[in-house]
Amino acid sequence: GAGVSQSPRYKVTKRGQDVALRCDPISGHVSLYWYRQALGQGPEFLTYFNYEAQQDKSGLPNDRFSAERPEGSISTLTIQRTEQRDSAMYRCASSLGVAGGYQETQYFGPGTRLLVL
Amino acid sequence: DQQVKQNSPSLSVQEGRISILNCDYTNSMFDYFLWYKKYPAEGPTFLISISSIKDKNEDGRFTVFLNKSAKHLSLHIVPSQPGDSAVYFCAATYNAGGTSYGKLTFGQGTILTVHP
Repeated sequence: GAGVSQSPRYKVTKRGQDVALRCDPISGHVSLYWYRQALGQGPEFLTYFNYEAQQDKSGLPNDRFSAERPEGSISTLTIQRTEQRDSAMYRCASSLGVAGGYQETQYFGPGTRLLVL
Repeated sequence: DQQVKQNSPSLSVQEGRISILNCDYTNSMFDYFLWYKKYPAEGPTFLISISSIKDKNEDGRFTVFLNKSAKHLSLHIVPSQPGDSAVYFCAATYNAGGTSYGKLTFGQGTILTVHP
């Protein structure tokens, strides 16, 4: 079956522009996670959802970052007024069961490479 | 504040030999640990995990060891194969109030190269 998909795969934007990154989880997966990965580093947690509810957004760096998952499936990570320091790989993951009281295996997508000029 | 550290950026091993990848953590709240493997242009793929109630978990050629007192875990691959060449990330998580298992904290990764 299809894995986690993300679009676009590459995004180049100018500083100050808004960008929207899309994540399509594995069909039937109820939990969805966003991570950011700098070059040479591991993924860094941003936020996650159980169904449409945002459970933890402690990793969002500031209020320019927001995420939504209105129907409990596709999710969008939006970065407003982008800055050069936002350049990174943005990864999405999904898991079958509800994340929270026990560990669910997270399946990662290929990521969106964002470059802010 | 790097709570999960992989101090070896790279490791080179001969095919058939053992690969040992190491990971240290600082947060004593962590109670579940995972290893992910990543090939170029792909997302990380789950490999193996261990709960803090165990000190060893084995899955085929892969074994993870956990030393809680030292806050250290390691991944052993025996025997190593060229197809194991990838970046390996260790990750950790804990449950605080029923919501935190969604959050994985990753190390920086170790590039493993297995030579034929």
